[in-house]
Amino acid sequence: KAGVTQTPRYLIKTRGQQVTLSCSPISGHRSVSWYQQTPGQGLQFLFEYFSETQRNKGNFPGRFSGRQFSNSRSEMNVSTLELGDSALYLCASSLALFRADHEQYFGPGTRLTVT
Amino acid sequence: KNEVEQSPQNLTAQEGEFITINCSYSVGISALHWLQQHPGGGIVSLFMLSSGKKKHGRLIATINIQEKHSSLHITASHPRDSAVYICAVTLRGAQKLVFGQGTRLTINP
Repeated sequence: KAGVTQTPRYLIKTRGQQVTLSCSPISGHRSVSWYQQTPGQGLQFLFEYFSETQRNKGNFPGRFSGRQFSNSRSEMNVSTLELGDSALYLCASSLALFRADHEQYFGPGTRLTVT
Repeated sequence: KNEVEQSPQNLTAQEGEFITINCSYSVGISALHWLQQHPGGGIVSLFMLSSGKKKHGRLIATINIQEKHSSLHITASHPRDSAVYICAVTLRGAQKLVFGQGTRLTINP
C-alpha cells in the first residue's frame, strides 16, 4: 500500500505570492491533518479535514486555508506569503477523525522557502 | 512555558551506548506519541501509549501518568538511529497533537 504523498517536495516563492500544496493520503484513510515545522516553533498543528469538512483548526491566521476532495486528497493554501511562512509543511493521514488512539501516518513534507 | 518539554535538546553518543530521551508535559493527556524524523523531513510514528511500557526491537517507551513523564530508550545504539526524536501529546478533550521541540540524536561509529 502506498504511503502518504505530498507534492511538490520543494517550492520557492516570493513574498506576497500565494501557494497551494497537495497531500494524497493512504488509500482508505479519510482524515488528513496538516502541520507546519519551523526551526523556531517546531511542529504546530494547522488543521484537520475529514469527509471534506474542516474539523479542527490550530492557531494560524486566515491566510492559511485548506480543503479536502471526495477522494480524501487535500490541498493547503497560503495567501500573501510572508518570510516567516518558510517551513516544512507536513500532512498526515489516518483512518478516521483524529482520536488519541489513532495512529497518524506522515508524508515526506513540502519544503517552502519564501524570499 | 511549553506544554511539552523534551530533554536533552541534543545528544551525541558512541555506537552501542544506551540512550534515554525524556519528555515531560504539564497538561492532562489522552495519549503520548514518540516520533522519529530523519534528515529530509519524513516522520515515522514509533510508539503511541497511554500507560505502562511498550517495546519494539531495540526501542522501549515508558510513561508515568502520575508524574506526567515519558522516556524513550534505545539499547545498543547504532549510527542509523541518528535522527530527531519528537514527543507529542494528545490533550485530553482536544483533537490535535501538541509537540515537544525534539531531541537531535547523533550516534558516532
